[in-house]
Amino acid sequence: KAGVTQTPRYLIKTRGQQVTLSCSPISGHRSVSWYQQTPGQGLQFLFEYFSETQRNKGNFPGRFSGRQFSNSRSEMNVSTLELGDSALYLCASREDRTSGIQETQYFGPGTRLLVL
Amino acid sequence: AQSVTQLGSHVSVSEGALVLLRCNYSSSVPPYLFWYVQYPNQGLQLLLKYTTGATLVKGINGFEAEFKKSETSFHLTKPSAHMSDAAEYFCAVSEGGYSSASKIIFGSGTRLSIRP
Repeated sequence: KAGVTQTPRYLIKTRGQQVTLSCSPISGHRSVSWYQQTPGQGLQFLFEYFSETQRNKGNFPGRFSGRQFSNSRSEMNVSTLELGDSALYLCASREDRTSGIQETQYFGPGTRLLVL
Repeated sequence: AQSVTQLGSHVSVSEGALVLLRCNYSSSVPPYLFWYVQYPNQGLQLLLKYTTGATLVKGINGFEAEFKKSETSFHLTKPSAHMSDAAEYFCAVSEGGYSSASKIIFGSGTRLSIRP
């Protein structure tokens, strides 16, 4: 199976702009999560989508939003970009069977966003 | 609330020496614990995880970790370091369970360097 793919891999934007990042999960995986990685704050959970609904949310402002499509692909959007939004954005997927047993999340390579 | 503390932002060992990366966690519920590795310009790869059962967990690439509830620790070890082990290592915790499984809290990371 192909792994988690993220597009684009690199992106440069200016302050005030908005950006949309895309994530395609592993085939058959229904849960998609997003994380932000910065040198200062480390890895932080943004949100998780399952069945086109946001199921969990981290502590980020409303400028950060996401959605999931019926084929489980997900996008995240950041509006009114700030310099501090420069980061590596990682997407992760898991199968999400209802067994209740912790499943492995598989991470994509990330999208590196630079805000100037 | 859950949290993870990784002791030492940078660890350097000689090739063939023991690798020990320290991790302590805080959780109000029985935790699920993970170690991830990140190579430069790549996403995260799961090394090993503890959910329930045996407290000594073996992972990929010869790594293992032991869950010690009394010490709230989950240290990562490898008997003999290899040059290819040079990377950033993240300890992480989640509440587990079905709906919260994707909300993973990461430590700040430990960069492992291997000396020839």
